[in-house]
Parts: sequence; C-alpha cells; structure tokens
Amino acid sequence: QKEVEQNSGPLSVPEGAIASLNCTYSDRGSQSFFWYRQYSGKSPELIMSIYSNGDKEDGRFTAQLNKASQYVSLLIRDSQPSDSATYLCAEGSGGYQKVTFGTGTKLQVIP
Amino acid sequence: DTAVSQTPKYLVTQMGNDKSIKCEQNLGHDTMYWYKQDSKKFLKIMFSYNNKELIINETVPNRFSPKSPDKAHLNLHINSLELGDSAVYFCASSQDGLRDTQYFGPGTRLTVL
Repeated sequence: QKEVEQNSGPLSVPEGAIASLNCTYSDRGSQSFFWYRQYSGKSPELIMSIYSNGDKEDGRFTAQLNKASQYVSLLIRDSQPSDSATYLCAEGSGGYQKVTFGTGTKLQVIP
Repeated sequence: DTAVSQTPKYLVTQMGNDKSIKCEQNLGHDTMYWYKQDSKKFLKIMFSYNNKELIINETVPNRFSPKSPDKAHLNLHINSLELGDSAVYFCASSQDGLRDTQYFGPGTRLTVL
C-alpha cells in the first residue's frame, strides 16, 4: 500500500516569510510528484509538478525532490494571506497516472 | 466554459436510497477519475476510466458503480447508501500521460442521514 505522509499542521507563518511544506512517500518506484492547493470548500488545483531530483521553481513556488530520501518539499516565498489553504502532496506511478495523495498540510499566513 | 463539471453540487438523502452523480469534461481528455474526500480531507481515488474503459478500481464497495457512456462523461451510481458514504466526491480528468495534470470538478457534497 503506497503512502504519502504530510504533517497536517496548521503551519502558521507571517506574511512575507517563507513557508516550507514537507512530504515523504513510501514507493521507491514513484515517478511523478505533485503539489495541489485546496482552498476550503473548493476543489484541488495543481500548483507544481516535479519528476527529477533537484529543485524546480515557478514564481514564488519551489518544489524540491530527493528520490534517495523519498522526500518532496514545497517552498513558498513571500507568503501572502491568499496562500492560506491546504496543500496536498501527491505521487504518481504506473500507467494511467494513478495518483496517491497525502492528507494535506494546512497553511495559515498571518497578515 | 467550465472544464470539469459535476451535478449535483449538494446531495442530501436517507440511508438505503440509491443516488447518482454526473460528471462531464470538455477538455478533450482521455482519462477520468472519481475521488472521495472524507471529513479529514483525505483524498482517495476510487475509479479511473480511459476512453470508456475501466482501468483503476480501488477497494470500493460494489454498491458504487461507475459508468462512462463516452470519454467526456463519467457517472457514479451508489446503491443502498450508508452513513459512511457521506463525503465530498470529486470527478477529475487528464490526458493519459503520467505527467499530465489532473483537473478537478467542483465536487459533490453527499450527506447521508
């Protein structure tokens, strides 16, 4: 049974700070890794995907992948109150993109 | 111009009833999914269809039956509803590549009384 582990939080950071969200996964065969953001009462939306070791940056977001440690992280620079949401880490492997989600980390950005 | 749509948005029903949730995507994607998100926000895949063919069938009670009349539609029928079925059900779609983004519908909040 594949597992994706996240700290449920809440993680509270002041506005303008860096928020660091972490995730570990159990399946060494995992090939794709995703970070989804879910606002309360809304559906998940993809904000970052990463497939190879190292860092991937997109605007204020940086995803980091370390396959040897089975670890994925998401950094949010210059955090804004609008970033307050639950962040879901997910991994995909095998054909047809079977994606396993973590339980999510709730982020609160304090103005 | 909604990409993935679901109906109804809310569904309140009594135990033992049968209900259906409909999903449609206009993205031209080949693969569609049903997810269940429980009260603790855990999002778990239930089923996946690729070009109308069932490809993922997780450990789900056989009271749940998906149906895909064409690749743009994936419906979920639930028989003999139980209290534990109360959750938010999300439909999603993607192309069939491992790296393709999944686009989620707005969700259907099912409450079984």
